[in-house]
Amino acid sequence: DSGVTQTPKHLITATGQRVTLRCSPRSGDLSVYWYQQSLDQGLQFLIQYYNGEERAKGNILERFSAQQFPDLHSELNLSSLELGDSALYFCASSVATGGGRYNEQFFGPGTRLTVL
Amino acid sequence: QQQVKQSPQSLIVQKGGIPIINCAYENTAFDYFPWYQQFPGKGPALLIAIRPDVSEKKEGRFTISFNKSAKQFSLHIMDSQPGDSATYFCAASSPGNTGKLIFGQGTTLQVKP
Repeated sequence: DSGVTQTPKHLITATGQRVTLRCSPRSGDLSVYWYQQSLDQGLQFLIQYYNGEERAKGNILERFSAQQFPDLHSELNLSSLELGDSALYFCASSVATGGGRYNEQFFGPGTRLTVL
Repeated sequence: QQQVKQSPQSLIVQKGGIPIINCAYENTAFDYFPWYQQFPGKGPALLIAIRPDVSEKKEGRFTISFNKSAKQFSLHIMDSQPGDSATYFCAASSPGNTGKLIFGQGTTLQVKP
């Protein structure tokens, strides 16, 4: 158990809908990262927050957004869902931001999103 | 330049064998190279990591070899066991204001009893 929690574990929805994925980082971790894992694209970085502020954006679609709250939990919002958004979405957390050993990232169990 | 290329895509070894997974990168700014292990239905778990100022790092049965001049690094699993059957990902990050990880495509390892 990494200490990172994600809910829900599974989510099945229809095209055009909006969903919210939730992540609670390990105790003491200030950074939260979101990654998408699909069969054809592998693990792709989406977005990072550090202590409530956005720090980096990857290949995140405009239909997707995220935020980190004062209690440090984070939510990833996916809207106008398309079939191609079906994937595993992982949250990871680390103590700090920046590279190197302070960036040891610990992953949650993921949310499997299925768009029908 | 932000890519990390991983090979092979899949690997089958007998119990006790030493599977080797290779990764190559282009971005010389990368300074942190972790390996993650993922079992089906689980999130990736940090296995071992290395910085480019070290050529080798061992943790238990897992060893990373790093060749800075060739911009390559590899994971060796000594005395592999069926329980090591999983997907392995190499990754890299660069120093700066963020720690985003760039992942390789993954290697599915099967260790036969």
